[in-house]
Amino acid sequence: DIQMTQSPSSLSASVGDRVTITCRASQSVSAYLNWYQQKPGKAPKLLIYATSSLQSGVPSRFSGSGSGTDFTLTINNLQPEDFATYYCQQSYSSPYTFGQGTKLEIK
Amino acid sequence: QLQLQESGPGLVKPSETLSLTCTVSGGSVSDSSYYWGWVRQPPGKALEWIGSIYYSGSTYYNPSLKRRVTISVDTSKNQFSLKLSSVTAADTAVYYCARHGAGYYYGPWGQGTLVTVSS
Repeated sequence: DIQMTQSPSSLSASVGDRVTITCRASQSVSAYLNWYQQKPGKAPKLLIYATSSLQSGVPSRFSGSGSGTDFTLTINNLQPEDFATYYCQQSYSSPYTFGQGTKLEIK
Repeated sequence: QLQLQESGPGLVKPSETLSLTCTVSGGSVSDSSYYWGWVRQPPGKALEWIGSIYYSGSTYYNPSLKRRVTISVDTSKNQFSLKLSSVTAADTAVYYCARHGAGYYYGPWGQGTLVTVSS
């Protein structure tokens, strides 16, 4: 199985900040890397697919980049509604594994 | 607008079979562009892909669960279902159903349902 490792596990930031979350795969997943946002008690929401494609309806302050084994999710101009847990997921090969999550908290 | 809703018992005894159904509205499980899948999340832990099904009945399972998992689709009811046999406390989780394309990125998702395995 491909292991997905996110860093940091938690992060404190302020409204208006720019934050970056990193996801590293144990082997290359090409560009098959997706990002989700999950709020407490809610289902995950797809933000970005195929490394950098923004899902319809997702604000443009979210962006993704990377290739191979190293990927980043960047959120510019943090808004109050962005404080949540973020997960990466590889869709390169079965089983389609997720990272352990990065909890973004208000400073 | 596509919506998915999980249903099924919230409590299952150890060694028994967990059974959940996902009802799809605002779209069709027969849509050849999509697959229908299950993902679970143990309390406080990360997400785990369980498996997926295509409207034709083709199934794709996580190898770690394959021996115990069956996913089926009922196009007449616009539903798909999950059965997980021989459950233990480790199967306690929120179970989500979701749609995905060939790219295996999931959205939208159902709201999730907590299944607790306990005697």
